[in-house]
Amino acid sequence: SYELTQPPSVSVSPGQTASITCSGDKLGDRYAYWYQQKPGQSPVLVIYQDNKRPSGIPERISGSNSGNTATLTISGTQPMDEADYYCQTWDSSTVVFGGGTKLTVL
Amino acid sequence: EVQLVESGGVLVQPGGSLRLSCAVSGFTFSSYDMHWVRQAPGKGLEWVSYISTSGSIIYYADSVRGRFTISRDNAKNSLYLQLNSLSAEDTAIYFCARGQARSADYWGQGTLVTVSS
Repeated sequence: SYELTQPPSVSVSPGQTASITCSGDKLGDRYAYWYQQKPGQSPVLVIYQDNKRPSGIPERISGSNSGNTATLTISGTQPMDEADYYCQTWDSSTVVFGGGTKLTVL
Repeated sequence: EVQLVESGGVLVQPGGSLRLSCAVSGFTFSSYDMHWVRQAPGKGLEWVSYISTSGSIIYYADSVRGRFTISRDNAKNSLYLQLNSLSAEDTAIYFCARGQARSADYWGQGTLVTVSS
């Protein structure tokens, strides 16, 4: 079965750039999606089709996908960005989520 | 305003069954695919099942295939998940989510299913 691998945690200082990776076999050949989940809340879609932002998602959140790795980038990281982030793709008739990355804004 | 409200989560004994519901409003339900996704306590997201707009296409995760059944009633703007042969590993918050461009763009608040004796 297809697997997506994320680092368990990423730390960043306020105002700096955070990058969260998601690795999978030839992931760049399929679309990647990203979700943000804060404690006690439901997930929120922040990136779809590799690099598109839904309405209301700030421009400092961006995505890319090439080769075996999709990357979520948060520029000018703010304390409000502290959350768990999950990547997602499709494998045939199955939706696959990565294990999640906890972003800590120190 | 798009809203998805799950219900039906309870404490159930191993081997038991229950049905979850998801009532939606604020969009044309019959025009959207739908998903169920679960999250065990302190764990990550796990996709459970997908259903197309008409219900003609259905997919399941290997972990639930043969035990869970997804369905929808477009006239009632409602999505359902029948859970059978439950085990402790099925303990989780169950979210319904609207499908859009192969993603899930709106999520409910979730309903907690606890499987324990």
